[in-house]
Amino acid sequence: SQTIHQWPATLVQPVGSPLSLECTVEGTSNPNLYWYRQAAGRGLQLLFYSVGIGQISSEVPQNLSASRPQDRQFILSSKKLLLSDSGFYLCAWSHADTQYFGPGTRLTVL
Amino acid sequence: GEDVEQSLFLSVREGDSSVINCTYTDSSSTYLYWYKQEPGAGLQLLTYIFSNMDMKQDQRLTVLLNKKDKHLSLRIADTQTGDSAIYFCAESRVTGGGNKLTFGTGTQLKVEL
Repeated sequence: SQTIHQWPATLVQPVGSPLSLECTVEGTSNPNLYWYRQAAGRGLQLLFYSVGIGQISSEVPQNLSASRPQDRQFILSSKKLLLSDSGFYLCAWSHADTQYFGPGTRLTVL
Repeated sequence: GEDVEQSLFLSVREGDSSVINCTYTDSSSTYLYWYKQEPGAGLQLLTYIFSNMDMKQDQRLTVLLNKKDKHLSLRIADTQTGDSAIYFCAESRVTGGGNKLTFGTGTQLKVEL
């Protein structure tokens, strides 16, 4: 069966520090991968998606970037965090029509 | 355009039925989904319905789709305290980038004893 992991589960970072969040998927190959951010107001915003290694599409301009160095690994990064980057970051994978979500990473920028 | 709307809160008594409603605007949606999110956790897929279906039932869950009115609902029979969570509906579009979902703002379901 397929599983999706996110690391770390929680993170507290100062403004201006770098960021690296990791998402890995097991039990499947060549999945589509997605990064979402969920702000305190609850809605989910799609940040990035990837259909293959090295292929990244950005949905909204922002302070973040994404990379897919391996088939089942998706990384969300920032060189300098802003206060507004705080939120709950969710990774998801899909093969056909359904997306399955990871447990999320809670990021607090102080 | 893409817009998915839900009411923010719903409160029901344990044992009653819950009905969570959702409206969407994209008539080209292929699938519509219901996800459940418990506090501090990721989103759990509950059920989904293909856009050419009217109804889907899965144990205590019933999904109704009115494609003409672009209205989707999730009925939970015999609601339990463990059903307390935020419920998101989402519509999908198949694009060159795979299946992209647009989520509603979520409905917080509170189950009271």
